[in-house]
Amino acid sequence: AQSVTQPDIHITVSEGASLELRCNYSYGATPYLFWYVQSPGQGLQLLLKYFSGDTLVQGIKGFEAEFKRSQSSFNLRKPSVHWSDAAEYFCAVGAAGAAGNKLTFGGGTRVLVKP
Amino acid sequence: EPEVTQTPSHQVTQMGQEVILRCVPISNHLYFYWYRQILGQKVEFLVSFYNNEISEKSEIFDDQFSVERPDGSNFTLKIRSTKLEDSAMYFCASSLRGAETQYFGPGTRLLVL
Repeated sequence: AQSVTQPDIHITVSEGASLELRCNYSYGATPYLFWYVQSPGQGLQLLLKYFSGDTLVQGIKGFEAEFKRSQSSFNLRKPSVHWSDAAEYFCAVGAAGAAGNKLTFGGGTRVLVKP
Repeated sequence: EPEVTQTPSHQVTQMGQEVILRCVPISNHLYFYWYRQILGQKVEFLVSFYNNEISEKSEIFDDQFSVERPDGSNFTLKIRSTKLEDSAMYFCASSLRGAETQYFGPGTRLLVL
Protein backbone atom coordinates (compact mmCIF):
# COMPACT_ATOMS: atom_id res chain seq x y z
CA ALA A 1 0.00 0.00 0.00
CA GLN A 2 1.22 3.49 -0.75
CA SER A 3 1.75 6.05 2.00
CA VAL A 4 3.16 9.54 2.43
CA THR A 5 4.74 11.11 5.49
CA GLN A 6 5.27 14.79 6.00
CA PRO A 7 7.27 14.95 9.24
CA ASP A 8 6.75 18.66 9.90
CA ILE A 9 3.23 19.67 10.90
CA HIS A 10 4.07 23.36 11.20
CA ILE A 11 6.95 25.46 9.90
CA THR A 12 7.50 29.15 10.59
CA VAL A 13 9.81 31.03 8.26
CA SER A 14 10.74 34.68 7.87
CA GLU A 15 9.83 36.45 4.67
CA GLY A 16 12.76 36.28 2.27
CA ALA A 17 14.24 33.20 3.92
CA SER A 18 14.47 29.82 2.24
CA LEU A 19 11.93 27.07 2.80
CA GLU A 20 12.20 23.31 2.61
CA LEU A 21 9.28 20.96 3.24
CA ARG A 22 9.99 17.29 3.68
CA CYS A 23 8.07 14.43 2.11
CA ASN A 24 8.80 10.73 2.33
CA TYR A 25 6.77 8.18 0.46
CA SER A 26 6.33 4.45 0.43
CA TYR A 27 5.38 2.75 -2.79
CA GLY A 28 6.49 -0.51 -4.35
CA ALA A 29 6.88 0.66 -7.93
CA THR A 30 7.66 3.88 -9.75
CA PRO A 31 5.61 6.60 -8.11
CA TYR A 32 4.01 9.69 -9.49
CA LEU A 33 4.66 12.49 -6.97
CA PHE A 34 2.88 15.76 -6.49
CA TRP A 35 2.93 18.82 -4.31
CA TYR A 36 -0.33 20.70 -3.83
CA VAL A 37 -0.94 23.93 -1.91
CA GLN A 38 -4.11 24.85 -0.06
CA SER A 39 -4.70 28.43 1.00
CA PRO A 40 -7.27 29.01 3.77
CA GLY A 41 -10.76 28.20 2.54
CA GLN A 42 -9.49 27.27 -0.89
CA GLY A 43 -9.12 24.10 -2.90
CA LEU A 44 -5.94 22.24 -3.78
CA GLN A 45 -3.69 23.88 -6.33
CA LEU A 46 -0.99 21.86 -8.07
CA LEU A 47 2.49 23.28 -7.49
CA LEU A 48 4.53 20.68 -9.35
CA LYS A 49 4.72 17.01 -10.25
CA TYR A 50 7.26 14.31 -10.97
CA PHE A 51 6.47 11.48 -13.36
CA SER A 52 9.88 10.58 -14.80
CA GLY A 53 13.07 12.08 -16.20
CA ASP A 54 14.94 14.93 -14.54
CA THR A 55 14.73 14.43 -10.79
CA LEU A 56 14.71 18.17 -10.10
CA VAL A 57 11.36 19.59 -11.14
CA GLN A 58 10.31 23.20 -11.31
CA GLY A 59 6.85 24.35 -10.44
CA ILE A 60 4.77 27.46 -10.16
CA LYS A 61 5.40 30.33 -7.76
CA GLY A 62 9.16 29.68 -7.72
CA PHE A 63 8.93 26.25 -6.08
CA GLU A 64 11.05 23.26 -6.96
CA ALA A 65 11.26 19.69 -5.71
CA GLU A 66 13.83 16.95 -5.96
CA PHE A 67 13.00 13.26 -6.30
CA LYS A 68 15.51 11.04 -4.51
CA ARG A 69 14.68 7.41 -5.08
CA SER A 70 17.37 6.16 -2.67
CA GLN A 71 15.82 8.17 0.15
CA SER A 72 12.18 7.76 -0.96
CA SER A 73 11.88 11.51 -0.69
CA PHE A 74 10.39 14.36 -2.68
CA ASN A 75 11.23 17.52 -0.75
CA LEU A 76 9.84 20.90 -1.78
CA ARG A 77 12.00 24.01 -1.73
CA LYS A 78 11.75 27.71 -2.34
CA PRO A 79 14.81 30.00 -2.14
CA SER A 80 13.00 33.09 -0.91
CA VAL A 81 9.57 32.95 0.71
CA HIS A 82 6.90 35.61 0.19
CA TRP A 83 4.12 36.39 2.65
CA SER A 84 1.63 34.96 0.15
CA ASP A 85 3.26 31.54 0.52
CA ALA A 86 1.59 31.11 3.90
CA ALA A 87 -0.63 28.08 3.33
CA GLU A 88 -0.83 24.35 3.87
CA TYR A 89 1.26 22.14 1.61
CA PHE A 90 0.41 18.57 0.75
CA CYS A 91 2.65 15.93 -0.79
CA ALA A 92 0.86 13.13 -2.64
CA VAL A 93 1.80 9.90 -4.36
CA GLY A 94 -0.05 8.21 -7.20
CA ALA A 95 0.41 4.84 -8.84
CA ALA A 96 2.28 5.19 -12.12
CA GLY A 97 0.46 3.54 -14.98
CA ALA A 98 -2.54 2.45 -12.97
CA ALA A 99 -6.04 3.12 -14.21
CA GLY A 100 -7.76 5.50 -11.86
CA ASN A 101 -4.57 6.71 -10.18
CA LYS A 102 -5.77 7.10 -6.61
CA LEU A 103 -3.73 9.78 -4.85
CA THR A 104 -2.53 9.21 -1.31
CA PHE A 105 -1.82 12.40 0.58
CA GLY A 106 0.48 13.21 3.44
CA GLY A 107 -0.83 14.95 6.52
CA GLY A 108 0.24 18.36 5.29
CA THR A 109 2.65 21.02 6.52
CA ARG A 110 1.28 24.37 7.54
CA VAL A 111 3.64 27.22 6.68
CA LEU A 112 3.52 30.50 8.57
CA VAL A 113 5.50 33.44 7.17
CA LYS A 114 6.77 36.07 9.58
CA PRO A 115 7.27 39.63 8.31
CA GLU B 1 -7.74 28.22 -18.01
CA PRO B 2 -10.24 25.39 -17.57
CA GLU B 3 -11.07 24.49 -14.00
CA VAL B 4 -13.13 22.10 -11.94
CA THR B 5 -16.15 23.70 -10.31
CA GLN B 6 -18.22 22.46 -7.39
CA THR B 7 -21.61 23.39 -5.98
CA PRO B 8 -22.65 24.26 -3.39
CA SER B 9 -19.64 25.75 -1.64
CA HIS B 10 -21.25 25.07 1.75
CA GLN B 11 -24.08 22.79 2.80
CA VAL B 12 -25.65 22.25 6.20
CA THR B 13 -27.91 19.24 6.66
CA GLN B 14 -29.59 17.25 9.38
CA MET B 15 -28.35 13.78 10.26
CA GLY B 16 -30.18 11.16 8.22
CA GLN B 17 -30.87 13.46 5.29
CA GLU B 18 -29.68 12.83 1.77
CA VAL B 19 -27.23 15.23 0.17
CA ILE B 20 -25.98 15.54 -3.39
CA LEU B 21 -22.72 17.29 -4.06
CA ARG B 22 -22.17 18.46 -7.61
CA CYS B 23 -19.05 18.85 -9.69
CA VAL B 24 -18.33 19.96 -13.22
CA PRO B 25 -14.99 18.44 -14.25
CA ILE B 26 -12.72 19.89 -16.92
CA SER B 27 -14.55 19.28 -20.17
CA ASN B 28 -12.18 16.91 -22.01
CA HIS B 29 -11.18 14.92 -18.92
CA LEU B 30 -12.15 11.28 -18.72
CA TYR B 31 -11.36 10.31 -15.11
CA PHE B 32 -13.22 11.70 -12.13
CA TYR B 33 -12.57 11.49 -8.41
CA TRP B 34 -13.98 12.39 -5.04
CA TYR B 35 -11.84 13.01 -1.98
CA ARG B 36 -12.72 14.28 1.44
CA GLN B 37 -10.87 16.12 4.18
CA ILE B 38 -12.21 15.98 7.70
CA LEU B 39 -11.20 19.11 9.59
CA GLY B 40 -7.58 18.85 10.69
CA GLN B 41 -7.00 15.53 8.96
CA LYS B 42 -5.51 14.23 5.73
CA VAL B 43 -7.15 14.44 2.33
CA GLU B 44 -8.59 10.94 1.77
CA PHE B 45 -9.52 9.22 -1.47
CA LEU B 46 -13.14 8.12 -1.77
CA VAL B 47 -13.74 6.94 -5.32
CA SER B 48 -12.57 7.11 -8.91
CA PHE B 49 -14.87 6.90 -11.92
CA TYR B 50 -14.16 6.16 -15.56
CA ASN B 51 -16.24 5.12 -18.52
CA ASN B 52 -19.43 5.41 -16.49
CA GLU B 53 -18.39 3.07 -13.77
CA ILE B 54 -16.45 3.07 -10.53
CA SER B 55 -12.83 2.05 -11.14
CA GLU B 56 -11.69 2.10 -7.53
CA LYS B 57 -13.19 2.94 -4.15
CA SER B 58 -11.91 3.18 -0.62
CA GLU B 59 -13.23 1.56 2.54
CA ILE B 60 -14.88 4.86 3.38
CA PHE B 61 -17.06 4.62 0.28
CA ASP B 62 -19.71 2.31 1.67
CA ASP B 63 -23.31 1.68 0.58
CA GLN B 64 -24.34 5.12 1.80
CA PHE B 65 -22.31 6.71 -0.97
CA SER B 66 -22.92 6.68 -4.69
CA VAL B 67 -21.59 8.55 -7.69
CA GLU B 68 -23.15 9.36 -11.00
CA ARG B 69 -22.40 11.16 -14.20
CA PRO B 70 -25.96 12.05 -15.17
CA ASP B 71 -25.01 13.95 -18.30
CA GLY B 72 -21.94 14.93 -20.27
CA SER B 73 -20.78 17.56 -17.84
CA ASN B 74 -21.79 16.86 -14.24
CA PHE B 75 -20.37 14.39 -11.75
CA THR B 76 -22.24 13.94 -8.48
CA LEU B 77 -21.61 12.39 -5.09
CA LYS B 78 -24.70 11.33 -3.15
CA ILE B 79 -24.75 10.49 0.52
CA ARG B 80 -28.04 8.72 1.20
CA SER B 81 -28.35 9.11 4.96
CA THR B 82 -25.80 11.49 6.38
CA LYS B 83 -24.03 10.87 9.68
CA LEU B 84 -22.29 13.36 11.93
CA GLU B 85 -18.93 11.91 10.86
CA ASP B 86 -19.65 12.77 7.22
CA SER B 87 -18.95 16.41 8.07
CA ALA B 88 -15.94 17.29 5.95
CA MET B 89 -14.71 19.20 2.94
CA TYR B 90 -15.43 17.18 -0.20
CA PHE B 91 -13.19 17.71 -3.19
CA CYS B 92 -13.91 16.69 -6.75
CA ALA B 93 -11.01 16.18 -9.15
CA SER B 94 -10.57 15.20 -12.76
CA SER B 95 -7.75 14.06 -15.00
CA LEU B 96 -7.35 13.57 -18.71
CA ARG B 97 -6.02 10.06 -18.28
CA GLY B 98 -5.75 7.69 -15.34
CA ALA B 99 -2.09 8.23 -14.57
CA GLU B 100 -2.09 11.97 -15.05
CA THR B 101 -2.32 15.12 -12.99
CA GLN B 102 -5.56 15.50 -11.10
CA TYR B 103 -7.06 18.97 -10.99
CA PHE B 104 -9.10 19.75 -7.93
CA GLY B 105 -12.19 21.85 -7.45
CA PRO B 106 -12.57 24.36 -4.60
CA GLY B 107 -14.51 21.90 -2.47
CA THR B 108 -17.90 21.68 -0.77
CA ARG B 109 -17.91 22.06 2.98
CA LEU B 110 -20.56 19.73 4.38
CA LEU B 111 -21.77 20.12 7.95
CA VAL B 112 -24.06 17.45 9.36
CA LEU B 113 -25.97 18.45 12.48
